[in-house]
Amino acid sequence: ETGVTQTPRHLVMGMTNKKSLKCEQHLGHNAMYWYKQSAKKPLELMFVYSLEERVENNSVPSRFSPECPNSSHLFLHLHTLQPEDSALYLCASSPTGGDTQYFGPGTRLTVL
Amino acid sequence: GESVGLHLPTLSVQEGDNSIINCAYSNSASDYFIWYKQESGKGPQFIIDIRSNMDKRQGQRVTVLLNKTVKHLSLQIAATQPGDSAVYFCAEMGWDTGNQFYFGTGTSLTVIP
Repeated sequence: ETGVTQTPRHLVMGMTNKKSLKCEQHLGHNAMYWYKQSAKKPLELMFVYSLEERVENNSVPSRFSPECPNSSHLFLHLHTLQPEDSALYLCASSPTGGDTQYFGPGTRLTVL
Repeated sequence: GESVGLHLPTLSVQEGDNSIINCAYSNSASDYFIWYKQESGKGPQFIIDIRSNMDKRQGQRVTVLLNKTVKHLSLQIAATQPGDSAVYFCAEMGWDTGNQFYFGTGTSLTVIP
């Protein structure tokens, strides 16, 4: 266990659904991240939060909406997704930005 | 943009042999590198890291070598075991990347019993 948990582990949703992914870190870290991992592609950074402030948004479509209520929790709200959004969504945390990142197990998302 | 790649997408080794996984990067400003291991159905797991002021770093059964001249990084696994079967990928960060890591696509290591 890395100290980073994600729920749910698997999610199937239709294009008109609204769902949320949750991440929680028990490491006392100040930075949290959302990544998208698609088959045979490098990890794609989506969002970065440092001390609960969003510091990075890598041109992610607005159908993905992050929320960081405190330094231990990170959410990714999903609405009107497309089938090409199907992927493994990984959460990570680090002590500060630029430090080693520790990943959760991911949420396997399938959009029908 | 950043280019972080691996020489081979797959690698098969006999149990007990040593494994070498390679990674090339293109950013001369890269100064921090990490190797991750990702088993099926799990998230990436930190293995070992190295900063640009070092050429070599050793952990338990793993060694990372950094050649800044040719922008090459390698991960050596000694006495490879079946539990080492996974996808391995490198990540690099430079002083000019705004604390953002760039990841390789991964090498799938299969250990043959």
